[in-house]
Amino acid sequence: EIVMTQSPATLSLSPGERATLSCRASQSLSNNLAWYQQNPGQAPRLLIYGASTRATGIPARFSGSGSGTEFTLTISSLQSEDFAVYYCQQYNKWPPTFTFGQGTKLEIK
Amino acid sequence: QVTLKESGPALVKPTQTLTLTCTFSGFSLSTSGMRVSWIRQPPGKALEWLARIDWDGDKFYSTSLKTRLTISEDTSKNQVVLTMTNMDPVDTATYYCALSAGTSDYFDPWGQGTLVTVSS
Repeated sequence: EIVMTQSPATLSLSPGERATLSCRASQSLSNNLAWYQQNPGQAPRLLIYGASTRATGIPARFSGSGSGTEFTLTISSLQSEDFAVYYCQQYNKWPPTFTFGQGTKLEIK
Repeated sequence: QVTLKESGPALVKPTQTLTLTCTFSGFSLSTSGMRVSWIRQPPGKALEWLARIDWDGDKFYSTSLKTRLTISEDTSKNQVVLTMTNMDPVDTATYYCALSAGTSDYFDPWGQGTLVTVSS
């Protein structure tokens, strides 16, 4: 099983600051990685797929980068609605057995 | 507009079998490339993929849970059903269904989720 490790577990920042979230895979994924945002009591929402492609309707302040085993989600200037939990997910392996990271909680400082 | 919605019991007893239904609209599971997955999330914890059913009838399961899971479809009703046997309190979680389409296996969109508590 491919293990996904996210860091940090919690990130405390202020509105307007830049956020950098990391995700590491135990095996190479090429670019088969997605990022999701989850607010309390809500389902996850797709932000990024293919490591760097924004999903429909996602603001340009969200960007993804990386390939292989190291990936980054960057939020260029934090807005109040961005404080949430973020998960990465790999979809590289065949047959399908998808795994998520343990999440990064982005909280207001 | 694609939507998915989960339904099922809010409470099950240990050792019972859980049956969850995902009712969807805005797409057909018979269309090439469409795939519906079940994913769960224990309270305060991370997401865990459980199972997937594909447009061609192929089915895939989590390695750790495959002996307990069965996924099926009712194409006429636009529903995907997940059964999980021998429920345990550690299976308490919000259960989501989600769509994958095309050539990549990310999940979009998701249903709202349904909380299942396992307790006697």
